[in-house]
Amino acid sequence: GQSLEQPSEVTAVEGAIVQINCTYQTSGFYGLSWYQQHDGGAPTFLSYNALDGLEETGRFSSFLSRSDSYGYLLLQELQMKDSASYFCAVPTSYNTDKLIFGTGTRLQVFP
Amino acid sequence: EAQVTQNPRYLITVTGKKLTVTCSQNMNHEYMSWYRQDPGLGLRQIYYSMNVEVTDKGDVPEGYKVSRKEKRNFPLILESPSPNQTSLYFCASSLGTGGDYGYTFGSGTRLTVV
Repeated sequence: GQSLEQPSEVTAVEGAIVQINCTYQTSGFYGLSWYQQHDGGAPTFLSYNALDGLEETGRFSSFLSRSDSYGYLLLQELQMKDSASYFCAVPTSYNTDKLIFGTGTRLQVFP
Repeated sequence: EAQVTQNPRYLITVTGKKLTVTCSQNMNHEYMSWYRQDPGLGLRQIYYSMNVEVTDKGDVPEGYKVSRKEKRNFPLILESPSPNQTSLYFCASSLGTGGDYGYTFGSGTRLTVV
């Protein structure tokens, strides 16, 4: 079957850097996305990686290694408002909208 | 404001009573999807649509129906709801496939079936 694996929880302090990992098992690879969801809110799209390497968007960066079937989301200069759940997601086939999500990583940022 | 609007936000219903959750987007997006979210299971795709009159099953389609008669609307229909369909439901839309363009999600519908 196709699956995504993420740690269930990560904790860090304000100002620190945290990395949230995602390992995927899929029959093909069509990109890796990341979403953020605050408690009681809707998921919001953060980033997408189709090629190996690091994509930077402000304090958040996302990395992909297709040879390792692995990616991570890097959050720098953590703020209290970054406390949320983070999900990775991958399409399961080419040029369709069939998407699977990981079970999510809950990030708690402490003062 | 660009958004995906779901209604209702909260719904309590009884087993077997047909219901529809509406979803509308104002961004002229081609792609729309329905997801359910349950604790510990993340987001699971129910159905998706890549264009008007084009719909396909996601991972958990049993017990649900959808239709896409207009580009902006993508209602989710539960013909005979059961307690195991108690969940938080999200509608989402995207300019292209949700994987690379990214979804815009609605605010969610919390459904309880008793």
